[in-house]
Amino acid sequence: EVQLLESGGDLVQPGGSLRLSCAASGFTFSSYAMSWVRQAPGKGLEWVSRIGGSGGSTYYADSVKGRFTISRDNSKNTLYLQMNSLRAEDTAIYYCAKGTASATAPDYWGQGTLVSVSS
Amino acid sequence: DVVMTQSPLSLSVTPGQPASISCKSSQSLLHSNGETYLYWYLQKAGQPPQLLLYEVSKRFSGVPDRFSGSGSGTDFTLKISRVEAEDVGVYYCLQSIQLPLTFGPGTKVDIK
Repeated sequence: EVQLLESGGDLVQPGGSLRLSCAASGFTFSSYAMSWVRQAPGKGLEWVSRIGGSGGSTYYADSVKGRFTISRDNSKNTLYLQMNSLRAEDTAIYYCAKGTASATAPDYWGQGTLVSVSS
Repeated sequence: DVVMTQSPLSLSVTPGQPASISCKSSQSLLHSNGETYLYWYLQKAGQPPQLLLYEVSKRFSGVPDRFSGSGSGTDFTLKISRVEAEDVGVYYCLQSIQLPLTFGPGTKVDIK
């Protein structure tokens, strides 16, 4: 059974930093692209970032480019999102999502972790 | 970026009746490999999204056959043959032919 468990969400001040983690199990982690997708309170879904299975190819939404860094440790089956220079508009539930066999599009999602940016 | 639009944005359905949601993309989602990268998700209240259909019409594991998808190029449709109470939530379409991945705004479905 595929399981994705996010952690690291917290209340942080504007300009602060946070690192999210996503522990994966139930599948061969290194074989799949992984993404972070976020959802602001009461809003729709926004894709944030994607990383290839080997960790070699990373992509970011323009809204986070230069501030967020996606990475993975395949020896630990864990995905990360380093978030710097946080803004109020980054407040959201952050979901970790596993890519399908043939595309970046998610098939399995974690339960999410809440990031609140406020003074 | 590929812009995704959905209609209607809200839908109230009588149990047992059909429902249909339209999704349109600003450019073709047909890849040169012959696949069309259009996905449908359902997000129930307080839960993460769950994949219903991938590559337009392929049902994901465990998805009831009352859900079906159709379309090509830039126009797609999700159909529920007979809506059940458990189908309430927000439905999103997603394109993955190019990054950034982009979602539609969502269609909220509730029961009359």
